[in-house]
Amino acid sequence: GAVVSQHPSRVICKSGTSVKIECRSLDFQATTMFWYRQFPKQSLMLMATSNEGSKATYEQGVEKDKFLINHASLTLSTLTVTSAHPEDSSFYICSARGGEETQYFGPGTRLLVL
Amino acid sequence: GQNIDQPTEMTATEGAIVQINCTYQTSGFNGLFWYQQHAGEAPTFLSYNVLDGLEEKGRFSSFLSRSKGYSYLLLKELQMKDSASYLCAVRSTMNNNAGNMLTFGGGTRLMVKP
Repeated sequence: GAVVSQHPSRVICKSGTSVKIECRSLDFQATTMFWYRQFPKQSLMLMATSNEGSKATYEQGVEKDKFLINHASLTLSTLTVTSAHPEDSSFYICSARGGEETQYFGPGTRLLVL
Repeated sequence: GQNIDQPTEMTATEGAIVQINCTYQTSGFNGLFWYQQHAGEAPTFLSYNVLDGLEEKGRFSSFLSRSKGYSYLLLKELQMKDSASYLCAVRSTMNNNAGNMLTFGGGTRLMVKP
């Protein structure tokens, strides 16, 4: 099956710093990638939809200036959490749409902001 | 808007059968997915329904009724490793020309007991 990787898998940073998370589709081209956030014991919440070569579409309540998304190629999308604060600590998961029937999820990135 | 409901928690016995229900209200319906998510991990794909009826895949089956906005995931011969969260997700056509998007329900935490 299709494989999606995320890097880093875990990051701890100080409040006020910026963190970049990479999402790569390893064996297929993903014209669309999705970024989700999941707080403990809660479901996935879509943050934004990322299309290669165009601006990301953000869900209501997600600050686009705080969560910068770049989809520079058909295999790479990045999410940068700028000026991270403790309330941004969460599990960030990307997914890539490889075909019509499903999305393939990355393994997730656990962010802890101190 | 979209609304997806599923029970928060369920408990079942090893070897038994359990049915997890999902009801949804959405516009532009374009398929329903079930995902399994173990604690601390990203979701993994279980099933996909776009037409009414039952789809069987080994111990797991999924049913869809589009007219009722209803789906269920049926797990047979439960094993301890089936203890996980089960996420119902509805795909709908987006208005921003980005194709389709998934909206997740809150997830059902299934506990399988010996």
